[in-house]
Amino acid sequence: SYVLTQPPSESVAPGQTARITCGGDNVGSKSVNWFQQKPGQAPLLIVYDDVNRPSGIPERFSGSNSGNTATLAISRVEAGDEADYYCQVWDRKSDLWVFGGGTKLTLL
Amino acid sequence: QVHLVQSGAEVKKTGASVKVSCRGSGYDFSWFGIAWVRQAPGQGLEWMGWISAYDGQTNYAQRFQDRVTMTTDTSTNTAVMELRSLRSDDTAVYYCARALRPISGRYRSADFWGQGTLVTVSS
Repeated sequence: SYVLTQPPSESVAPGQTARITCGGDNVGSKSVNWFQQKPGQAPLLIVYDDVNRPSGIPERFSGSNSGNTATLAISRVEAGDEADYYCQVWDRKSDLWVFGGGTKLTLL
Repeated sequence: QVHLVQSGAEVKKTGASVKVSCRGSGYDFSWFGIAWVRQAPGQGLEWMGWISAYDGQTNYAQRFQDRVTMTTDTSTNTAVMELRSLRSDDTAVYYCARALRPISGRYRSADFWGQGTLVTVSS
């Protein structure tokens, strides 16, 4: 079955850019979605189809996807960005949804 | 605005069944699907499956195939997920989410999510 691999944690200083990776076999051929989840809350879609932002999501959040790695970048990181981030794809071969294990973003 | 409102927390015995409901509003319910995703305490997100509110077609994750049933009622804009033969490791928060697909394709992602329903299973 298809697997997405995320680092368990990332740390970044306020005001800097955080980059969270999502690795998978030829993930660049798939559409990657990213979700933000804060403690006690439901996941929030922040990037869809690799690079698009839903209405209301700040431009500070951006996505890219190529080869075996998709990346979520968060520029000018602020305290409110501390959260768990999950990548997700639809695997065409199995017709299943796959989530990465999640990355906890912490501010230094 | 789109809202998904789920039923309240449940406490069940091992071997029992649970039904979690999810009512959609603010959009044409029958034009979308509903996906179900669960999250065990301190763990990540796990996709359980989806159902098309348009035609009732379902797609379940293999590990739940024989224990889960998803249904929708377009007259009340409500989706229901039933999980049977509960085990302790089914203790989790269960989320519904509005599922999206291309015009002629399979559901691939979700945008709006319900608030979650905690299901606790104990002996």
